[in-house]
Amino acid sequence: EADIYQTPRYLVIGTGKKITLECSQTMGHDKMYWYQQDPGMELHLIHYSYGVNSTEKGDLSSESTVSRIRTEHFPLTLESARPSHTSQYLCASSEGVIQETQYFGPGTRLLVL
Amino acid sequence: DQQVKQNSPSLSVQEGRISILNCDYTNSMFDYFLWYKKYPAEGPTFLISISSIKDKNEDGRFTVFLNKSAKHLSLHIVPSQPGDSAVYFCAASSYLNTGNQFYFGTGTSLTVIP
Repeated sequence: EADIYQTPRYLVIGTGKKITLECSQTMGHDKMYWYQQDPGMELHLIHYSYGVNSTEKGDLSSESTVSRIRTEHFPLTLESARPSHTSQYLCASSEGVIQETQYFGPGTRLLVL
Repeated sequence: DQQVKQNSPSLSVQEGRISILNCDYTNSMFDYFLWYKKYPAEGPTFLISISSIKDKNEDGRFTVFLNKSAKHLSLHIVPSQPGDSAVYFCAASSYLNTGNQFYFGTGTSLTVIP
């Protein structure tokens, strides 16, 4: 089982602020993911990475950006937060090539006023 | 267009009885299916998975059934316990078709009544 951490757990911030959501995993997994989830809705993939210096956008269009400079770290940045960014952000990691299991962090619940 | 659907937003079951959660999918290329359990304000926790080469996988009180011809899977919890009360998400992926990208359903909120 992966140990995966997200900070902050909760964030209330004003419109226009720049924020970075942190995600770290200690299992050495190559693959990491960011999902966005609203209540009653499915998880939507917004970014993923298959290794250091590799990042891709997911199916859901997002104004956020990510970086992967170290295997264990996959931060997500919003340059200018808006109320439409209010959501829960979930980070996950996995290993393997096929039929892998993704393990999730506890999530960051973001509220933009 | 949603490729994984959970048509029951909620389910209530008496403690000790069986809980059956259902999930349908549309992409016949999916070859790996998972169930996750999620408590409020927490991330999803992996519960059980099944490969498309099987039709059943069992782990303790949890059993997942896969019917490929109907593109349907279900999660059975027997016996249900109050601690099972949570939102359950099914997910599907295909290495060849979707590059292991996961597609999730909208979740079913299970309440186990003591």
